[in-house]
Amino acid sequence: GAVVSQHPSRVICKSGTSVKIECRSLDFQATTMFWYRQFPKQSLMLMATSNEGSKATYEQGVEKDKFLINHASLTLSTLTVTSAHPEDSSFYICSAHTGTSTYEQYFGPGTRLTVT
Amino acid sequence: GQNIDQPTEMTATEGAIVQINCTYQTSGFNGLFWYQQHAGEAPTFLSYNVLDGLEEKGRFSSFLSRSKGYSYLLLKELQMKDSASYLCAVTDSNYQLIWGAGTKLIIKP
Repeated sequence: GAVVSQHPSRVICKSGTSVKIECRSLDFQATTMFWYRQFPKQSLMLMATSNEGSKATYEQGVEKDKFLINHASLTLSTLTVTSAHPEDSSFYICSAHTGTSTYEQYFGPGTRLTVT
Repeated sequence: GQNIDQPTEMTATEGAIVQINCTYQTSGFNGLFWYQQHAGEAPTFLSYNVLDGLEEKGRFSSFLSRSKGYSYLLLKELQMKDSASYLCAVTDSNYQLIWGAGTKLIIKP
């Protein structure tokens, strides 16, 4: 149980275009979903926290107009990178929180974004 | 500020035992996680500690001392596939995960 999927797993886009990444909890309802970014050889960096039906909470330094997050249902959250630039190339990982007492997060497999 | 420290890199021999330490200073504490992350993949859950003591799960064990702000992950009978980064993360008083930078573990034959 507690499986999280992400789509696509890899995407290459041209500079200036937008890319949408989907994160789904397959067998549970996720009260909260998190979006992380990870640059090579660095730790995970939390970008934003999203709760179903409400606006996402962005971490300091993350542009909310550039990284659009929509948590439309208890099983789906999307991250749209708008007007992508090469410096946005990174590994984007989502995780979902089940709401249990351990507050364990289940991670999606990640999306490798390359902006050319 | 909030801070989690763990060694950047460790090397161990196949079949041996290795202990990866993690110290933390956070605003409140609601549990400590260890995750394993292979290169190019998302992290996978290894352990969760919220009370002091040792939690054993197969070849992996995790220890917590809240008074010392200290945890370690113990890996026994090391296998080549254990080569990965090991991430320590603490849930603070706001239930937000604070991540360590990770420890890259290299296993040699």
